[in-house]
Amino acid sequence: KNEVEQSPQNLTAQEGEFITINCSYSVGISALHWLQQHPGGGIVSLFMLSSGKKKHGRLIATINIQEKHSSLHITASHPRDSAVYICAVVMEYGNKLVFGAGTILRVKS
Amino acid sequence: NAGVMQNPRHLVRRRGQEARLRCSPMKGHSHVYWYRQLPEEGLKFMVYLQKENIIDESGMPKERFSAEFPKEGPSILRIQQVVRGDSAAYFCASSPPGGGGYNEQFFGPGTRLTVL
Repeated sequence: KNEVEQSPQNLTAQEGEFITINCSYSVGISALHWLQQHPGGGIVSLFMLSSGKKKHGRLIATINIQEKHSSLHITASHPRDSAVYICAVVMEYGNKLVFGAGTILRVKS
Repeated sequence: NAGVMQNPRHLVRRRGQEARLRCSPMKGHSHVYWYRQLPEEGLKFMVYLQKENIIDESGMPKERFSAEFPKEGPSILRIQQVVRGDSAAYFCASSPPGGGGYNEQFFGPGTRLTVL
């Protein structure tokens, strides 16, 4: 079993829909990242959070440390949101990131 | 303030050659991390360095791979005698000093290595 599990693996949405991507982890962490990667492209850090909720534009990230679960929400989705979204946890001891497999999001117009 | 820089962006090597990948962290950052993304696979941690020190190399293959982050200049990931299985995207990330795991990591654009 992977230490970081994401769901769904693939997601197709219609423009304007509300999108949720989930991340569960089984290890002790000090923080959690949500990352975005476009095909053949680099990696952009969307959020780093260790508790509660963060919002940036149409993106919202939440984390529940007790339940070892985080969600990334996209409101009013747009085709330019199409990308791979990756959950990565910062291990409790040491700084290395452990990554989920990613969620491939496609938003159709 | 420039972001994390990596070069080259694309690198082609023949089997048996050496590959050198460079990473210049963001200004003021003294922590560097290297990650590898094999085709159709997720990202995997390779090594974590601070200036002149390797802090965690638990993700580095035991042979042919080495990394350094000298006092001056970029961090270098070196792969000797490359094989086709080394073909991947190699990403570097950096974070500022202090703060332990609470410091956000900022990623470079990656180097895509192709071994012929």
